[in-house]
Amino acid sequence: QITLKESGPTLVEPTQTLTLTCTFSGFSLTTAGVGVGWIRQPPGKALEWLALIYGTDDKFYSPSLKNRLTVTQDTSKNQVVLSMTNMDPVDTATYFCCYDVLWGFWVWGPGSLVTVSS
Amino acid sequence: QSALTQPASVSGSPGQSITISCTGASSGVGSYDHVAWYQHHPGKAPKLMIYEDTKRPSGVSSRFSGSKSGNTASLTISGLQAEDEGDYYCCSSAPDNPRVFGGGTKLTVL
Repeated sequence: QITLKESGPTLVEPTQTLTLTCTFSGFSLTTAGVGVGWIRQPPGKALEWLALIYGTDDKFYSPSLKNRLTVTQDTSKNQVVLSMTNMDPVDTATYFCCYDVLWGFWVWGPGSLVTVSS
Repeated sequence: QSALTQPASVSGSPGQSITISCTGASSGVGSYDHVAWYQHHPGKAPKLMIYEDTKRPSGVSSRFSGSKSGNTASLTISGLQAEDEGDYYCCSSAPDNPRVFGGGTKLTVL
């Protein structure tokens, strides 16, 4: 069974860096074609794709946010970490990590609500 | 503004069929990239309903089907049921954007 769970701060101050960890089980990032994606959803708004990382360490970022995003993996811990710099109140959202294969996000974590406020 | 355009809302009565469209701006949908569809109920994690344009994951009802023609992908739900109500998102690739979601469509079952 594949599971993922996001963890990190629930409150971040403006200009700070957000660091979220996705801890997963049931699959290996070293498997060809398997990746972990990050998606967010601001309250009342649409889903927004943020980043993807594959076991080959290929990384892809949303063009509108790529200057603020970094995604890394720790295969020994089955974790993927997303960092987003210079947080702003508009970045308030529920952040999801997902198991990605065959052009689809097959399994999602429960999500982590992050509020940006001073 | 998303590179993938979906209608903001659709509605139908129980037992009816509805179709949600997802139109790519130029390339992406209609090129070599595949479209996936997600169902999202508020407060829950989204669920993959269709992948690679037309394929259904195991466990997804056969009432859900996907298609693609030109630069438009479509999700059809037949035999509408109350539990189908929710938000639906398409996801594909756009120029210079490995993944992009449509703006979402709110389905109301009347």
